Amino acid sequence: ETGVTQTPRHLVMGMTNKKSLKCEQHLGHNAMYWYKQSAKKPLELMFVYSLEERVENNSVPSRFSPECPNSSHLFLHLHTLQPEDSALYLCASSQESSFGEQFFGPGTRLTVL
Amino acid sequence: DAKTTQPPSMDCAEGRAANLPCNHSTISGNEYVYWYRQIHSQGPQYIIHGLKNNETNEMASLIITEDRKSSTLILPHATLRDTAVYYCIVSAKTDSWGKFQFGAGTQVVVTP
Repeated sequence: ETGVTQTPRHLVMGMTNKKSLKCEQHLGHNAMYWYKQSAKKPLELMFVYSLEERVENNSVPSRFSPECPNSSHLFLHLHTLQPEDSALYLCASSQESSFGEQFFGPGTRLTVL
Repeated sequence: DAKTTQPPSMDCAEGRAANLPCNHSTISGNEYVYWYRQIHSQGPQYIIHGLKNNETNEMASLIITEDRKSSTLILPHATLRDTAVYYCIVSAKTDSWGKFQFGAGTQVVVTP
């Protein structure tokens, strides 16, 4: 148990659907992250929120839209995805002052048909 | 940006110490060495980090060479549950959000 939860754990969606991934952390952290892990590829950092402000947007296509309503919750809104977006999406959190010590959730396994 | 080099894979016998090397010859003075591991289909797990001195916690020990160009993660008594991909990352502690990058890591297989 890492203190970071993600829902849903599995998601199958069509290319025209709109869905959202949710992440919640119970660790009192003030920075949150979205990562993408495609098959046989390293983790790719997508977005970083620090103190509820987006501080990093790693050239991610606009069909991925993050939202951080407060320091405990992070969403990733998805629309008109492509099959190549199928991947494991991981959320993490940390203290802003020490972002190298990140705590990860279990991930959402996304399949785009 | 400092980058790391790790062997793609290594095997270890259960109960023995596992010594995982990492080269980071271009590390800067303010950059730390972080280690994570990822068990299959799970999120990565933070293990340990250090700047100059050797570090130890309940999971592992981290040995950093005096010139800081390489380090070794030591799992003192490997168990089957330690089978995972281990990542070595170098990064400053703050203001380097986009530079905290996971590489390919080392696939460690612990055998009975």
